[in-house]
Amino acid sequence: AQKVTQAQTEISVVEKEDVTLDCVYETRDTTYYLFWYKQPPSGELVFLIRRNSFDEQNEISGRYSWNFQKSTSSFNFTITASQVVDSAVYFCALSEVYSGGYQKVTFGTGTKLQVIP
Amino acid sequence: GAVVSQHPSWVICKSGTSVKIECRSLDFQATTMFWYRQFPKQSLMLMATSNEGSKATYEQGVEKDKFLINHASLTLSTLTVTSAHPEDSSFYICSVNMWTSGRRDEQFFGPGTRLTVL
Repeated sequence: AQKVTQAQTEISVVEKEDVTLDCVYETRDTTYYLFWYKQPPSGELVFLIRRNSFDEQNEISGRYSWNFQKSTSSFNFTITASQVVDSAVYFCALSEVYSGGYQKVTFGTGTKLQVIP
Repeated sequence: GAVVSQHPSWVICKSGTSVKIECRSLDFQATTMFWYRQFPKQSLMLMATSNEGSKATYEQGVEKDKFLINHASLTLSTLTVTSAHPEDSSFYICSVNMWTSGRRDEQFFGPGTRLTVL
């Protein structure tokens, strides 16, 4: 069974500070995908990134960066120079590929980020 | 543009009534759709996998007679909450796996439906 752990329930930072959201996962599969989603108060999930298990390269997209380390089963997310608009709940998720090609996604419990102006 | 739509976006109903939520894939045919439930301040929990033309696969602890899923076409899956009660009040989200050549496999989520049962 797959499992995603986001140990940080809530984080508060002052605007312009950097913040890292932690994500640790468990899976027995060798092929899987990892995701980060943002959920603002409106509720709609906003896709941020998908990474497959064979690609351990770190990725940077603007103020966002992700650190994927298979050795520690972690997929951490860093926001640089945080802004008030970054305030949301962030979910880390893991999917395994089943026969037929479809994926089942397991979500972590989420980290609520509050950026204080 | 949006890939997955849900209707309605929110619904308020009386206890004991049934509520139908629609999930549509807008630009492609989806043989598999997923239904999630999210209680306030909690994570998304997979309820069931909806398979076009066959019975849905429910996760452990989800009552199949309570949450009826119909995937009658490649673009539409419906979730009916039967005899809804206040404890069924939640945010229901569907998702679709898109698997087409040139696009790889991606997961798209609908905007969600907020159900409030009085």
